[in-house]
Amino acid sequence: KQEVTQIPAALSVPEGENLVLNCSFTDSAIYNLQWFRQDPGKGLTSLLLIQSSQREQTSGRLNASLDKSSGRSTLYIAASQPGDSATYLCAVSFVSGNQFYFGTGTSLTVIP
Amino acid sequence: EAQVTQNPRYLITVTGKKLTVTCSQNMNHEYMSWYRQDPGLGLRQIYYSMNVEVTDKGDVPEGYKVSRKEKRNFPLILESPSPNQTSLYFCASSLRQGAYYGYTFGSGTRLTVV
Repeated sequence: KQEVTQIPAALSVPEGENLVLNCSFTDSAIYNLQWFRQDPGKGLTSLLLIQSSQREQTSGRLNASLDKSSGRSTLYIAASQPGDSATYLCAVSFVSGNQFYFGTGTSLTVIP
Repeated sequence: EAQVTQNPRYLITVTGKKLTVTCSQNMNHEYMSWYRQDPGLGLRQIYYSMNVEVTDKGDVPEGYKVSRKEKRNFPLILESPSPNQTSLYFCASSLRQGAYYGYTFGSGTRLTVV
């Protein structure tokens, strides 16, 4: 069974810091990887989608990288703001099977 | 606006009373899926559908049913809800599994079974 792991489970940083969230997965044969943001009790907002053929994607202060061979993705957030406080989830679409697997998320708190 | 719509947003029900949570998408997506989210367990897939009349079990299908009679709709049915099905439920869709498209999620349904 494929697995997706996110470390750390929680992270607290002062405003303005650059930070990195990690996602690892057990099978390098993937279609794509997607990063989401979830505010407490709310739905999932898609942040970035990286295809298996891509190495990175950028949107504003967010940059996501993908290293399929090592089974890793990172989400880089530049100049963090209190409004970035949320849970960040990565999800992987594996070639084997027809499912989309989620990590358990990293809860980020940005302190003003 | 392209979206996935779930109803209801909140539902409190009693053990054993059949209920249906609806999910509809307006993007002509082939792939649709249901997830439940529980503290400490993350998002787990209940059922998914590759296309009309094609459904399959995810990781936690027990106690749930689905149907896909039309492309746009994918309802989740709890025939006899129990308290352990209290959870936050999400419906998601994608153009197709494995395509160069990500997933779009509904806003969630918070279900409480007493």
